[in-house]
Order: sequence, then structure tokens, then C-alpha cells
Amino acid sequence: NAGVTQTPKFQVLKTGQSMTLQCAQDMNHNSMYWYRQDPGMGLRLIYYSASEGTTDKGEVPNGYNVSRLNKREFSLRLESAAPSQTSVYFCASSAQLAGVYEQYFGPGTRLTVT
Amino acid sequence: EDQVTQSPEALRLQEGESSSLNCSYTVSGLRGLFWYRQDPGKGPEFLFTLYSAGEEKEKERLKATLTKKESFLHITAPKPEDSATYLCAAHSGGGADGLTFGKGTHLIIQP
Repeated sequence: NAGVTQTPKFQVLKTGQSMTLQCAQDMNHNSMYWYRQDPGMGLRLIYYSASEGTTDKGEVPNGYNVSRLNKREFSLRLESAAPSQTSVYFCASSAQLAGVYEQYFGPGTRLTVT
Repeated sequence: EDQVTQSPEALRLQEGESSSLNCSYTVSGLRGLFWYRQDPGKGPEFLFTLYSAGEEKEKERLKATLTKKESFLHITAPKPEDSATYLCAAHSGGGADGLTFGKGTHLIIQP
């Protein structure tokens, strides 16, 4: 089991460029999430998907779009990157089994927007 | 608005010196309180989920406890490899799904 995988690991963009961050999980989890982590801030939820075909906004959704491609894959798109979107982006997936809820994270994508 | 506050921001201990990290939370309808470990350049690594006041969970030198307003991560006789940032997060019943995170405690264990 690879768990949660993310690509790319690093990316540098110029202001106004677009890109898509990819995430996949092999744990058969229904729910998937995108967070961003900035220095001095906790991880903040951007978007989530409770199941295939559904997506909802989190705390900081402006400037982002998401697609739940299938049960395994959840992508995050920046249509016109801004320096304020320089951050580390983490994808996560979760499941609840026998009353136990667990959420697992990928290794992150480090994005710099110049 | 859900809030999670961790203290201290940073903690430096000698190897073998036990201590506790604090996480206080204000959430609407707590569904679970999570602890993660994060090493530099890596994603958060799941440690524990606690669900109700009085619950305790242990893993090696770590023990997590939960009250109605706080959670503590107790580290007993730590080793240098326990050095990391420890994150606390709350899963609430209100608003968006997903976790509300604290800013973390950066723990350094000196040999």
C-alpha cells in the first residue's frame, strides 16, 4: 500500500500561470481533502470531497478548484497562480471503520509562485 | 468558529526528561481529537484519535489524554528520534468536514 501519493513534489510557477496538483489514495477511502500549510499557521482546509462526485469548500477555497476524478483521485487546480498561494499543499484521505475515524496525509507539494 | 490552540510553541528537553504538550480546543460538537507527528519536509503522520473525555491512548513513549476542553500528549523518557513537530487537530460536527489544526509544538530532544 502506497497510502496517499502526491505529484509533483516541488513546483515553481510565475504569477498568472496555471497548474494542477494530483493526489491518489489506494486505501479505498470515501473522503479526500486538500490542505495548505504556511509558516506560523496551522494546516487549513481548502476543499474536501465526501464521496465520488461531490466536492465542498473548506476554510480557504478562493483561487482554487478541485475535481474528484474517481474514488482514488482528487486534484487541485490553480487557474491563475498568485504569490499568496506559495505554500505546502497536502492531500489527505479518511475513513471510519468500527467507530474509529482516521485521516492520513500525503507527503506534500511545495509550491513557489514568483 | 472552531479553534485549536497548542502550547508551548517550542520545547527543548534533555534525553530522558519527560514532559507534556497541551492542546486546548473550542469546537461545536467534537467528533474526535487527533494527534499527528510531522518531521521536516514530510506530511503529518497519524498518531492517535481520542473521542471522549477520560479516554487515553498510548504508543511507545507517547500517551494522549482527553478532557472536555483539552488534550495532553505526554512524552515519557524521550529520545532524540522523538524530535519533531506535534500537531493537534479537532474534527467537529459543525461546518465543513475536515480537521481544524493547531499551529503545532516543535519538540527538540537533546542527547
